[in-house]
Amino acid sequence: DSGVTQTPKHLITATGQRVTLRCSPRSGDLSVYWYQQSLDQGLQFLIQYYNGEERAKGNILERFSAQQFPDLHSELNLSSLELGDSALYFCASSAALGTANTGELFFGEGSRLTVL
Amino acid sequence: TQLLEQSPQFLSIQEGENLTVYCNSSSVFSSLQWYRQEPGEGPVLLVTVVTGGEVKKLKRLTFQFGDARKDSSLHITAAQPGDTGLYLCAGEVISSYKLIFGSGTRLLVRP
Repeated sequence: DSGVTQTPKHLITATGQRVTLRCSPRSGDLSVYWYQQSLDQGLQFLIQYYNGEERAKGNILERFSAQQFPDLHSELNLSSLELGDSALYFCASSAALGTANTGELFFGEGSRLTVL
Repeated sequence: TQLLEQSPQFLSIQEGENLTVYCNSSSVFSSLQWYRQEPGEGPVLLVTVVTGGEVKKLKRLTFQFGDARKDSSLHITAAQPGDTGLYLCAGEVISSYKLIFGSGTRLLVRP
């Protein structure tokens, strides 16, 4: 158990819909990362937050948005869903402080999104 | 855009054989991490290498960071079925908060 909790574990929805994925980081971790993993692929970096502020952005679509709340949990919002958005979405947290040192990432078990 | 390419993409070997997985980039990274991911789970960190030329050993696994900090390799000696999984390298982009992942190497060790 990594200590990172993601909900829901599985989600099936239709094209055009909007979903919200939730992540609770390990206790004390200030950094949260979101990654997308398509079938048998590596992880695509989406976005990173540190203590409520956006710190780095990857190849995140404009239809996607995220935020980190004062209690440090994070949400990833996916809207106008397309078939190609079907993937595993991972959240990870890190104990690294506000420096450029990422440190070890602890991953949740992921949220599997299926868009029909 | 920083890219990390891993090779091979797939590897199926017999128990007891040795193997090497490569992670290459044209970009320099401040550090390089290796993760292993099993089905239905998130990746788990195996090792972090920071210094160019650094070699780290974890039982039967040997990790090396290239002198120029652009590439890395993972060597497994006498592979066991328990080594089966998806191996991912991840590079920490200099002066940013990004950790980008390679495309992964899927290893199957047959008993």
